[in-house]
Amino acid sequence: KAGVTQTPRYLIKTRGQQVTLSCSPISGHRSVSWYQQTPGQGLQFLFEYFSETQRNKGNFPGRFSGRQFSNSRSEMNVSTLELGDSALYLCASSLARTGDTEAFFGQGTRLTVV
Amino acid sequence: GQQLNQSPQSMFIQEGEDVSMNCTSSSIFNTWLWYKQDPGEGPVLLIALYKAGELTSNGRLTAQFGITRKDSFLNISASIPSDVGIYFCAQPGRSGYALNFGKGTSLLVTP
Repeated sequence: KAGVTQTPRYLIKTRGQQVTLSCSPISGHRSVSWYQQTPGQGLQFLFEYFSETQRNKGNFPGRFSGRQFSNSRSEMNVSTLELGDSALYLCASSLARTGDTEAFFGQGTRLTVV
Repeated sequence: GQQLNQSPQSMFIQEGEDVSMNCTSSSIFNTWLWYKQDPGEGPVLLIALYKAGELTSNGRLTAQFGITRKDSFLNISASIPSDVGIYFCAQPGRSGYALNFGKGTSLLVTP
């Protein structure tokens, strides 16, 4: 059974650009969450989707957005990139309807903004 | 908001030693999760706990859901070099749709 797949693994972008990250959840999982991980702030919740609906959003600016498709695949977009957006972006999928238990993570996308 | 305090922040031990780390929460929830993250990889779920007092093992790892429901413990017995990594505790947020993570315990094991 394939795990959570995130693409690309690494990205380098310039300030002001925008970026789209992709996540394919474990087959059968309908809940997909996104997290930002930085050395200073640790793992912080961005947003969560279930059946194409965003059910919860973390405390991030509107430059961070996401969506989920009918096949449960998800994308997140960051517009007008800032240096502080450099981080490991992690996607997690879950079977539970609440999306809060036993979340399984992908390997992450390492974004570097220069 | 909900805060998870994880300690110790880091541990440097010799192979074969036992390890213990813990996490305390400012709120009461019904789930404790323990993850391990290797460098450059995503966190991997080690153990999930759902009931106060619950004790669950996964190989050399044992985790317990504290009876106060505000804490949890993770023990690693007879550590080996591949135990190196960062261990995180996590709980669902109030909405139930997100996980709150502790700051992590960084474990280094010398042969």
